[in-house]
Amino acid sequence: SQQGEEDPQALSIQEGENATMNCSYKTSINNLQWYRQNSGRGLVHLILIRSNEREKHSGRLRVTLDTSKKSSSLLITASRAADTASYFCATGLGFGSGTKLNVKP
Amino acid sequence: DTGVSQDPRHKITKRGQNVTFRCDPISEHNRLYWYRQTLGQGPEFLTYFQNEAQLEKSRLLSDRFSAERPKGSFSTLEIQRTEQGDSAMYLCASRSLRGHYNEQFFGPGTRLTVL
Repeated sequence: SQQGEEDPQALSIQEGENATMNCSYKTSINNLQWYRQNSGRGLVHLILIRSNEREKHSGRLRVTLDTSKKSSSLLITASRAADTASYFCATGLGFGSGTKLNVKP
Repeated sequence: DTGVSQDPRHKITKRGQNVTFRCDPISEHNRLYWYRQTLGQGPEFLTYFQNEAQLEKSRLLSDRFSAERPKGSFSTLEIQRTEQGDSAMYLCASRSLRGHYNEQFFGPGTRLTVL
């Protein structure tokens, strides 16, 4: 399975701090995507990084990809309470179990 | 609002009953996906369509699950003889095949509770 697995499972930080979530996957990929899900809602696409890219930025998001280690990280800088959600990495049709981020105001 | 809608948003049913969910994707999207998500887990892929063709259905959880996309637009997911273990959120997503972008647009989901 190409399914990604996120680490940590849960993360609690203060507003203004940075949040880092990691994802590991098993097989070769064309790209890796990160999604966000607010409680009880559908998923929202955040960012896609292709296998030939090492780093990508979008606003306060920074994603890195290390294909040699089959891992990716998502960094949210200057977190806000509104960032509280679950974050999933996806490779192909497989999603990991997510990191539940709680940003305390 | 991503443009993908699902109906109903919530469904409560008794064990043994059949249920059907509907997904309306973004109109120009060729691909339509169904996922199941249980509490605390990520989405689990079930099946997908390209236009009206169902290209992958081996991941459907059992023969009680079936999906259709008769005219390549909306899709339905049916669960026959529901069991309590079917209680979950059922998510639909759609994607365009144009360009190289793999982004899937998810609907809000249908939450199924089987009593």
